[in-house]
Amino acid sequence: GAVVSQHPSWVICKSGTSVKIECRSLDFQATTMFWYRQFPKQSLMLMATSNEGSKATYEQGVEKDKFLINHASLTLSTLTVTSAHPEDSSFYICSVAQGEEKLFFGSGTQLSVL
Amino acid sequence: DAKTTQPPSMDCAEGRAANLPCNHSTISGNEYVYWYRQIHSQGPQYIIHGLKNNETNEMASLIITEDRKSSTLILPHATLRDTAVYYCIVRVYQGAQKLVFGQGTRLTINP
Repeated sequence: GAVVSQHPSWVICKSGTSVKIECRSLDFQATTMFWYRQFPKQSLMLMATSNEGSKATYEQGVEKDKFLINHASLTLSTLTVTSAHPEDSSFYICSVAQGEEKLFFGSGTQLSVL
Repeated sequence: DAKTTQPPSMDCAEGRAANLPCNHSTISGNEYVYWYRQIHSQGPQYIIHGLKNNETNEMASLIITEDRKSSTLILPHATLRDTAVYYCIVRVYQGAQKLVFGQGTRLTINP
């Protein structure tokens, strides 16, 4: 069964609104989760590392005030795209680290901003 | 993390073995080789990983050269459902380390 649950699978929103994406670890506690973004026909790009109980670590070029990450519990991390614009339309994917060995990925969220 | 080089695309006939190469000539001694695949519009799926010994599981086999500068992922009997983008990644096996994805190989299984 799925190890990581990501919701919603897809979302359409108007420009200027905010969208929240949830990532849940189902089988184990996760102190660290990762958020990726993927544009069509491109590879996954790491956006940020989400740490339970502390501030997220953002990759260079990713606006922390636009992509708000909250990791309030050991099983849930959320990514909020604030004031979304059409250029934010993308496939967003979370992943959960199971110890040091493996990373498991959610099914992804397709965001379309009109 | 070390960079990897993969062919952008490959084709394989259904039922045959698919052999996907990966070069990682700058790999460090403490870096593992991981393989993931991504089927269209889904999250990546873990396949296999290894350090220096060859590995096999229910999905695939991983062959790592003795100098560890390259590896090959083998899908022994490819099916149409194996059509996906396959990513070879090297990663330090320490702490909750992130995965950095390259461009991968788009594998197409033909009937």
